Amino acid sequence: KAGVTQTPRYLIKTRGQQVTLSCSPISGHRSVSWYQQTPGQGLQFLFEYFSETQRNKGNFPGRFSGRQFSNSRSEMNVSTLELGDSALYLCASSETGFGGYTFGSGTRLTVV
Amino acid sequence: TQLLEQSPQFLSIQEGENLTVYCNSSSVFSSLQWYRQEPGEGPVLLVTVVTGGEVKKLKRLTFQFGDARKDSSLHITAAQPGDTGLYLCAYGSSNTGKLIFGQGTTLQVKP
Repeated sequence: KAGVTQTPRYLIKTRGQQVTLSCSPISGHRSVSWYQQTPGQGLQFLFEYFSETQRNKGNFPGRFSGRQFSNSRSEMNVSTLELGDSALYLCASSETGFGGYTFGSGTRLTVV
Repeated sequence: TQLLEQSPQFLSIQEGENLTVYCNSSSVFSSLQWYRQEPGEGPVLLVTVVTGGEVKKLKRLTFQFGDARKDSSLHITAAQPGDTGLYLCAYGSSNTGKLIFGQGTTLQVKP
């Protein structure tokens, strides 16, 4: 069974630009959630999608958005990038959104 | 939001030593999960503990859930360099896909 695939692995963007990150969950998993990981704040929940519906959202500004497609693949978008958005962005999938989650390897975003 | 406090934050030991990592809260949890994360990778689920007082073993790793389901510990026996990584405890809100993580314990095992 293929794992959770995140693309791209690394990304360098300039302040003010926008970025789209992609996540392909494990086949059959309908829940996809996104996390931001930084040295200072640790792992913080961004949002979760289940069957194309956003079920939960973390405490992040509206510049952070996401969506899920009918094949369960998910994208997250960050607009008007700030230096503080530099982080490892992780997505995780599970069958129902309850229980153990499988994480991807993440996308390392650097904003300069 | 319930908080999870992990201790210690950093641990550097020699190969062969034993260690314990703690995950504490003032809140009661229905379950807790432990993950290990290696540099440049995502966290990998090690175990989920559900029942108060439960003890689960994964080779040289022993996980315990407190009787009151407010705390958990991870004990590693005879640590090896391959155990090096960030150990995270987390709890999940049921059916919402939201995991709340502790700050993590960074473990370095020197050969």
